[in-house]
Amino acid sequence: QKEVEQNSGPLSVPEGAIASLNCTYSDRGSQSFFWYRQYSGKSPELIMSIYSNGDKEDGRFTAQLNKASQYVSLLIRDSQPSDSATYLCAVRVGGYQKVTFGTGTKLQVIP
Amino acid sequence: GEEVAQTPKHLVRGEGQKAKLYCAPIKGHSYVFWYQQVLKNEFKFLISFQNENVFDETGMPKERFSAKCLPNSPCSLEIQATKLEDSAVYFCASSQSEGGQGAYEQYFGPGTRLTVT
Repeated sequence: QKEVEQNSGPLSVPEGAIASLNCTYSDRGSQSFFWYRQYSGKSPELIMSIYSNGDKEDGRFTAQLNKASQYVSLLIRDSQPSDSATYLCAVRVGGYQKVTFGTGTKLQVIP
Repeated sequence: GEEVAQTPKHLVRGEGQKAKLYCAPIKGHSYVFWYQQVLKNEFKFLISFQNENVFDETGMPKERFSAKCLPNSPCSLEIQATKLEDSAVYFCASSQSEGGQGAYEQYFGPGTRLTVT
């Protein structure tokens, strides 16, 4: 079992819809969770971090964490074509600086 | 600086040649990380530093890869005797000192694309 798992996609959503990206992780000691956006040929850009159970909202983005289910998700409201990118989930186990990345979900927003 | 800087952007080496990549972390960040990204977006952790000290080197192929972070100099990642399989984008990231939840957020540089021919 991979430490951090994501569906590779592509996930296609129409412009204006909600995009839902999911991530599961294997280590119950995980304490920090991050979502990065990576455009093709570019470096990952941190868009959200979440540390406690529940929802965290930032503009059109909402991160959701459920530690009991070992599940973290990212919702993008009012999706725009400019949101088309690969979204990487990253997880840090408590006590360590190292972050483990999933292989990413490719999101395509169709105009 | 306010961003992680990496040089060069592109590097082409013949198989067996040496490659050296550089990274300057964000000013005030104590941790530096090196990652290798190959096909399908898979990120492989290589090594991390806390200031000039190796913090975690569990991902480093030690026989050909080495890295340093010296005071007042950019960090470096060196590959001796490159192989075709070393072709990848190498990313450097930095994060703040420990303390507070935001300390673990890693910020990435633009990457160095290494092509081994």
